[in-house]
Amino acid sequence: SQQGEEDPQALSIQEGENATMNCSYKTSINNLQWYRQNSGRGLVHLILIRSNEREKHSGRLRVTLDTSKKSSSLLITASRAADTASYFCATDEETSGSRLTFGEGTQLTVNP
Amino acid sequence: GAGVSQSPSNKVTEKGKDVELRCDPISGHTALYWYRQSLGQGLEFLIYFQGNSAPDKSGLPSDRFSAERTGGSVSTLTIQRTQQEDSAVYLCASSLVSGWSNQPQHFGDGTRLSIL
Repeated sequence: SQQGEEDPQALSIQEGENATMNCSYKTSINNLQWYRQNSGRGLVHLILIRSNEREKHSGRLRVTLDTSKKSSSLLITASRAADTASYFCATDEETSGSRLTFGEGTQLTVNP
Repeated sequence: GAGVSQSPSNKVTEKGKDVELRCDPISGHTALYWYRQSLGQGLEFLIYFQGNSAPDKSGLPSDRFSAERTGGSVSTLTIQRTQQEDSAVYLCASSLVSGWSNQPQHFGDGTRLSIL
């Protein structure tokens, strides 16, 4: 069963706008990671946030984590056409060892 | 250095044939993971290796699927008697520290498998 569920499934914005994607999960986690996938390619790690962290920044990316609500959000600021990709959250459940459980992703389209 | 390399990039085969998919992880990465991704879907975990051993095989969908890793490096995923529902992209990832999922995983570009 899917642990992470992204919302929305698809998002289309104009260049320069901000994009926000959300992820919800069901069980206790050690950490949550966000990945990006360009069409036909593998996944690229973007950012990892630990369960004891609430917010993390990396360049134009901002990730928040609310363990009480079992949810996370990924904000991409000042989006660019090159940000067009699918974005996945992945959770490391406390009982799963090294397994990551991925959601089904948000397809982001940034229009020039 | 080089990233995770997977071969072949595409494989088309007839139902009932066996296929072997290869993954060459980043040098020095002790952990190796196999996932399956159906069209427009997220990733489905298949198996995880720590060195040459597989502590977690729980994601393998049936006994037609097997995987091995030799020399703590290259891994092969074998699917016997392929079925049409096996059609998917098979992704391999590696990471530095085994048993610690805190480490980011580095992915190859996958093998796109099509069963006719």
